[in-house]
Amino acid sequence: KAGVTQTPRYLIKTRGQQVTLSCSPISGHRSVSWYQQTPGQGLQFLFEYFSETQRNKGNFPGRFSGRQFSNSRSEMNVSTLELGDSALYLCASSPDRGTGELFFGEGSRLTVL
Amino acid sequence: GENVEQHPSTLSVQEGDSAVIKCTYSDSASNYFPWYKQELGKGPQLIIDIRSNVGEKKDQRIAVTLNKTAKHFSLHITETQPEDSAVYFCAALGRGSYIPTFGRGTSLIVHP
Repeated sequence: KAGVTQTPRYLIKTRGQQVTLSCSPISGHRSVSWYQQTPGQGLQFLFEYFSETQRNKGNFPGRFSGRQFSNSRSEMNVSTLELGDSALYLCASSPDRGTGELFFGEGSRLTVL
Repeated sequence: GENVEQHPSTLSVQEGDSAVIKCTYSDSASNYFPWYKQELGKGPQLIIDIRSNVGEKKDQRIAVTLNKTAKHFSLHITETQPEDSAVYFCAALGRGSYIPTFGRGTSLIVHP
């Protein structure tokens, strides 16, 4: 069974631009979560999606948004990029909500110049 | 909400030694405690977990212990090997919650 696939793996943007990251969960997994990982802050929760609906949102500004499609694939978008948005963005899927067992992708490394 | 503290932030051991990473949590209602291992350039991977009705769980060289009274849980790795070098994250999931809270991670370095 294929794992969680995230694209692109690496990208470089400049301040003020926007970016869209994509996540394909493991087949059959219906819950998708997004995390931001930085050296100083560890894993910070961004959003959780289930059945195309955002179920939970972390403490991030409105510049961070996302969505989930009917096939459970998910995208997240960051608008008006800031230097501090440079991070590894991780997507995780699970068969259902609240299992606690997350299957992570390898992440999208975003660098903002 | 839940708060998870993880110590140490860095742990350096010699190959063959044991390594212990400790986490404390704040919400006494938390009932699921997973541990993730993140190798360089990869996403975290679940390596072992424990539920609140169990005090200890083992899987080959790794084990996790849980003390509900003290609200802390620990990861034990015996006979460490260089391939154990990675960042380890603990997490806690509260009863009725859907989002686990992660510790800040421990960078384990195993010297050959």
